[in-house]
Amino acid sequence: DAGVIQSPRHEVTEMGQEVTLRCKPISGHDYLFWYRQTMMRGLELLIYFNNNVPIDDSGMPEDRFSAKMPNASFSTLKIQPSEPRDSAVYFCASSLAGKISYEQYFGPGTRLTVT
Amino acid sequence: SQKIEQNSEALNIQEGKTATLTCNYTNYSPAYLQWYRQDPGRGPVFLLLIRENEKEKRKERLKVTFDTTLKQSLFHITASQPADSATYLCALYSGGYQKVTFGTGTKLQVIP
Repeated sequence: DAGVIQSPRHEVTEMGQEVTLRCKPISGHDYLFWYRQTMMRGLELLIYFNNNVPIDDSGMPEDRFSAKMPNASFSTLKIQPSEPRDSAVYFCASSLAGKISYEQYFGPGTRLTVT
Repeated sequence: SQKIEQNSEALNIQEGKTATLTCNYTNYSPAYLQWYRQDPGRGPVFLLLIRENEKEKRKERLKVTFDTTLKQSLFHITASQPADSATYLCALYSGGYQKVTFGTGTKLQVIP
């Protein structure tokens, strides 16, 4: 398997622009997580899905952030409008219910810079 | 409030020695705790899980302990190698479906 795939790997945008990050989870996995990582706050959970349904979005910082999972093989995280404080590395991870280690498989991340 | 603390300062050790990393938590009652490794520019990679009723778990040169009374987990790497240099993150189960909360990580540098 190719692992979790994220695109783009790097994104530089200007404040106020819309940003869309994409994720393809590992085939067969039924959980998908979106995280944000910064030096100050570490790795924070933004939202996660089970069988394409959002389960917990309490980590989404504000209404400018939205996430969708239209099918089992694709998810997006959108920021509109973007602000400089959104600059971070955004990770997508997937996991399989029933796996006793509950391990999450992370993608390579998208480094977002908002100027 | 809930808090997960890992040494924010980097840990430097000599090759061949045992590295010990600490994860302390407050106001959690985690059913399990995980350890992940993260290399620069990459996503975290799962290493080990330990459950609340387990005192110790081993995998090759790795050993994890979990003391729910002290609210602490220790992560040991024996016979450390320069290739073990990375940031190590602990993650606590925090309710719901497989939801975990990550610590900020400790950077380990193994010096040849």
